[in-house]
Amino acid sequence: TQLLEQSPQFLSIQEGENLTVYCNSSSVFSSLQWYRQEPGEGPVLLVTVVTGGEVKKLKRLTFQFGDARKDSSLHITAAQPGDTGLYLCAGVKAAGNKLTFGGGTRVLVKP
Amino acid sequence: KAGVTQTPRYLIKTRGQQVTLSCSPISGHRSVSWYQQTPGQGLQFLFEYFSETQRNKGNFPGRFSGRQFSNSRSEMNVSTLELGDSALYLCASRFSGTGGYGYTFGSGTRLTVV
Repeated sequence: TQLLEQSPQFLSIQEGENLTVYCNSSSVFSSLQWYRQEPGEGPVLLVTVVTGGEVKKLKRLTFQFGDARKDSSLHITAAQPGDTGLYLCAGVKAAGNKLTFGGGTRVLVKP
Repeated sequence: KAGVTQTPRYLIKTRGQQVTLSCSPISGHRSVSWYQQTPGQGLQFLFEYFSETQRNKGNFPGRFSGRQFSNSRSEMNVSTLELGDSALYLCASRFSGTGGYGYTFGSGTRLTVV
């Protein structure tokens, strides 16, 4: 069982539609990060959230950290084909240094 | 500035052999972590080095080992390779040794064991 559960595992949408990816856990994390990974490449950091209830926006991407710091969501508005990729959430526990990754959500945006 | 460099990018090995992968962190970064990525298990933490000392180790058998040099470059070694070791091996570097910030990943080494 993954410590961080991501849903859905796969999402296929048309260009212009909105999408939301969820990352849930029963554990508390001191920080949570979202990455996007392209085939054959390493994950690229999108955002780090550290405060419960925090909302961060990155152009068309909105990230939210749950009040209890156990869950997070990524919302993409008006998705574009360039948003296609594997989205990964990763948490760090207090006083810890290792990233615990969710299973990933594969997003396909069709033109 | 240059990113995290992993070499080689691709590797094919035979069962029972051993392999060494290399990671050069971003200049000034002293922490290097290694992760294994497979379709079935996703990204799993292998170990982390900071200032030449292993600080954290994941749940992998002793066949997986690593080290870090004084210039912060790191290597990981897998001995007695098994088919299940086929994976993308990623390293990540960061400046600070504490907290969960600032990870930059390399492009990975794709290891295929036949």
